[in-house]
Amino acid sequence: DQQVKQNSPSLSVQEGRISILNCDYTNSMFDYFLWYKKYPAEGPTFLISISSIKDKNEDGRFTVFLNKSAKHLSLHIVPSQPGDSAVYFCAASDTGTASKLTFGTGTRLQVML
Amino acid sequence: EPEVTQTPSHQVTQMGQEVILRCVPISNHLYFYWYRQILGQKVEFLVSFYNNEISEKSEIFDDQFSVERPDGSNFTLKIRSTKLEDSAMYFCANNWWSSTDTQYFGPGTRLTVL
Repeated sequence: DQQVKQNSPSLSVQEGRISILNCDYTNSMFDYFLWYKKYPAEGPTFLISISSIKDKNEDGRFTVFLNKSAKHLSLHIVPSQPGDSAVYFCAASDTGTASKLTFGTGTRLQVML
Repeated sequence: EPEVTQTPSHQVTQMGQEVILRCVPISNHLYFYWYRQILGQKVEFLVSFYNNEISEKSEIFDDQFSVERPDGSNFTLKIRSTKLEDSAMYFCANNWWSSTDTQYFGPGTRLTVL
């Protein structure tokens, strides 16, 4: 039961360009969404989040967009840097009933010099 | 910046043995979680813990699993009789307040069951 899907397993982007990572969800009860970055052999590191009452949240080079009608969110990284190379996970929760996070399968981002 | 820590970083055990994975959450955080990631798969929720009791658990978290806060600071995950399929990275997470608060993850414990 894939309630959170990241359909692109990998993405390559040139340094300085924009990286766009996408995430779709099926559970309409999800109302809080997060992006985590993960390096090998490390735990997920929180990047940015968005509540369903918003459609955009920005933090430095990272912007998350939420389209509730399409059940879609995206993470924009601009400009992309080599240090951004990692696996990015989208996660969602239904804050009304539980706080557990449901994760997507991840997208491996490679930023090339 | 406060961090979640986990020990050991790597645990190798024989099938059928008991293992205890330990986590030291961020001080003053109230909600605690365990997740796991089998190699090549997504991060999966195991259990949430609040006010010294389980709030929610997944179907993965069967009778072989248990959690506790033995001394009010550490948060442990015990697997009573490990199986080969328990081999995974186990992550502890916690947050100050559930719902809209961010969960912060530890670095994980790699469990290898032989």
